[in-house]
Amino acid sequence: RKEVEQDPGPFNVPEGATVAFNCTYSNSASQSFFWYRQDCRKEPKLLMSVYSSGNEDGRFTAQLNRASQYISLLIRDSKLSDSATYLCAVRDDKIIFGKGTRLHILP
Amino acid sequence: DTGVSQNPRHKITKRGQNVTFRCDPISEHNRLYWYRQTLGQGPEFLTYFQNEAQLEKSRLLSDRFSAERPKGSFSTLEIQRTEQGDSAMYLCASSSGVHNSPLHFGNGTRLTVT
Repeated sequence: RKEVEQDPGPFNVPEGATVAFNCTYSNSASQSFFWYRQDCRKEPKLLMSVYSSGNEDGRFTAQLNRASQYISLLIRDSKLSDSATYLCAVRDDKIIFGKGTRLHILP
Repeated sequence: DTGVSQNPRHKITKRGQNVTFRCDPISEHNRLYWYRQTLGQGPEFLTYFQNEAQLEKSRLLSDRFSAERPKGSFSTLEIQRTEQGDSAMYLCASSSGVHNSPLHFGNGTRLTVT
């Protein structure tokens, strides 16, 4: 089993819709969790950390399910500018990334 | 701007040559990471440092790769006898040692081996 797994997509979603991604991780001792956004040929940029109780930042909501070992990202009222690759990252000592989920928001 | 700085931005080299990349982390960050990323893949962990100590190196990493962080500030990544399969984006990131602290990435060095 890979350390961090994501559905690569692409997810093609109409503007204004809600979209959700999951990311599973294999190490139950993992301590911290993050979502990053990466635009084409750019470096990853932190979108949000994921806290145990779940957290929200505007249209973005992140959840952690330790029992099932997954994190999720929900994007509400999607915008064209949300089109990007979304990477989940998991820390035990080092930080491991998934392969990313590509999202295309359609006008 | 005191973000993570990497240079060069681009490097084209011939197979068999050695290359060295530099990363300057955010100054107050004591952890520094190197990743490699190819098209359609996520960043692949290579190695990381806490201050000057190299704490872990990926088992997938060839002996041709070596990284240093001699004074606990900037780091260098050297690839010896480059191969075409080494062509990738090499990303450096830094973080504080605080629990839950995220990574902050540099712009990366894009390596093309011809």
